[in-house]
Amino acid sequence: DSGVTQTPKHLITATGQRVTLRCSPRSGDLSVYWYQQSLDQGLQFLIQYYNGEERAKGNILERFSAQQFPDLHSELNLSSLELGDSALYFCASSNHHGGKLFFGEGSRLTVL
Amino acid sequence: GIQVEQSPPDLILQEGANSTLRCNFSDSVNNLQWFHQNPWGQLINLFYIPSGTKQNGRLSATTVATERYSLLYISSSQTTDSGVYFCAVGGRSGGYNKLIFGAGTRLAVHP
Repeated sequence: DSGVTQTPKHLITATGQRVTLRCSPRSGDLSVYWYQQSLDQGLQFLIQYYNGEERAKGNILERFSAQQFPDLHSELNLSSLELGDSALYFCASSNHHGGKLFFGEGSRLTVL
Repeated sequence: GIQVEQSPPDLILQEGANSTLRCNFSDSVNNLQWFHQNPWGQLINLFYIPSGTKQNGRLSATTVATERYSLLYISSSQTTDSGVYFCAVGGRSGGYNKLIFGAGTRLAVHP
């Protein structure tokens, strides 16, 4: 158990819908990262937050947004979903910038 | 951005065999980590190793940052070692906190 909690574990939805994925980092970790894993793109960095502020941005679509709340949990919002958004979405946390990453178990999103 | 290449892409071993996985990267890095994704999809951090050598049980890793490569050694492999091994790097050009993952080495250990 990494200490990073993600919910939901599985999610099935339809094209055009909006979903929210939630992540609670390890106790004491200030940085939260979101990654997307798909068969064709591999593991792609989406976005990082540190103590509530956005710190790095990767290949995140405009239809996706994220935020980190004062209690340090983070949410990834995916809207206007397309079939190609079906993937495993991972959250990870570390105790500082560039620190050792600990991953949650992921949220598997299926868009039908 | 930084390019990360892992080799071999696939590896099949008999239980008890040793193996070496390689990660080459295209630019200077100050953050390098190795992960194991087990067959259930969990990503487990094996090493944080931007330089030098570390050992953890049957696993060890070496990063030679000046020559832009890292090696992961697995000794006396067990069936539970099966899964995909990823190398991930971060550097000045992309941001050391933004880890770029390689495509992975898929390892199957047979009894």
